[in-house]
Amino acid sequence: AQKITQTQPGMFVQEKEAVTLDCTYDTSDQSYGLFWYKQPSSGEMIFLIYQGSYDEQNATEGRYSLNFQKARKSANLVISASQLGDSAMYFCAMNAGGTSYGKLTFGQGTILTVHP
Amino acid sequence: SAVISQKPSRDICQRGTSLTIQCQVDSQVTMMFWYRQQPGQSLTLIATANQGSEATYESGFVIDKFPISRPNLTFSTLTVSNMSPEDSSIYLCSVERGSGSGNEQFFGPGTRLTVL
Repeated sequence: AQKITQTQPGMFVQEKEAVTLDCTYDTSDQSYGLFWYKQPSSGEMIFLIYQGSYDEQNATEGRYSLNFQKARKSANLVISASQLGDSAMYFCAMNAGGTSYGKLTFGQGTILTVHP
Repeated sequence: SAVISQKPSRDICQRGTSLTIQCQVDSQVTMMFWYRQQPGQSLTLIATANQGSEATYESGFVIDKFPISRPNLTFSTLTVSNMSPEDSSIYLCSVERGSGSGNEQFFGPGTRLTVL
């Protein structure tokens, strides 16, 4: 079974500062993927970034980067230069390789508030 | 990215009735997934919908309560049957895109259901 843990129910950051959202995972699979999603108050799930378990480089997508530490089973999201529009719920998720690619297990989420 | 639409975007229903939610994708996909997000909670996978076969349900979800159709490779429906207030949730469909490596998982905008 897979498990995702997000220990920060809420985080605050000043506009233009960087913020790190924590995510740890547990799985017995060798092949898996890690995802981060943003959910604004509208409820839609916006895909931010993906990291494969065999990827040697940390994933980056614009202002988002994923700090992947495989031995520690952590996949923290770093948002640089925070913007007011970044205020939302953020979910870490993972899937397993093989035939279970599309089946995501989600963490409990972290509410990020960006202050002007 | 995938363009996914859902209908209805929101609805308010009476207990004991049923609601069918539609999910349309802009191109053919092998698997479609249905998730539920109860108020203040994370996302939980309900079932996987494959074209031409019965949907596969996760533990705690049954076909009688959440029947699913998948008539073709771009469309799926989820019915929430005999609704109770506990069914009030956001229901989201999701698709896997790409080469099958599992690194592209997109969500529809969600259907916000309130059961009175």
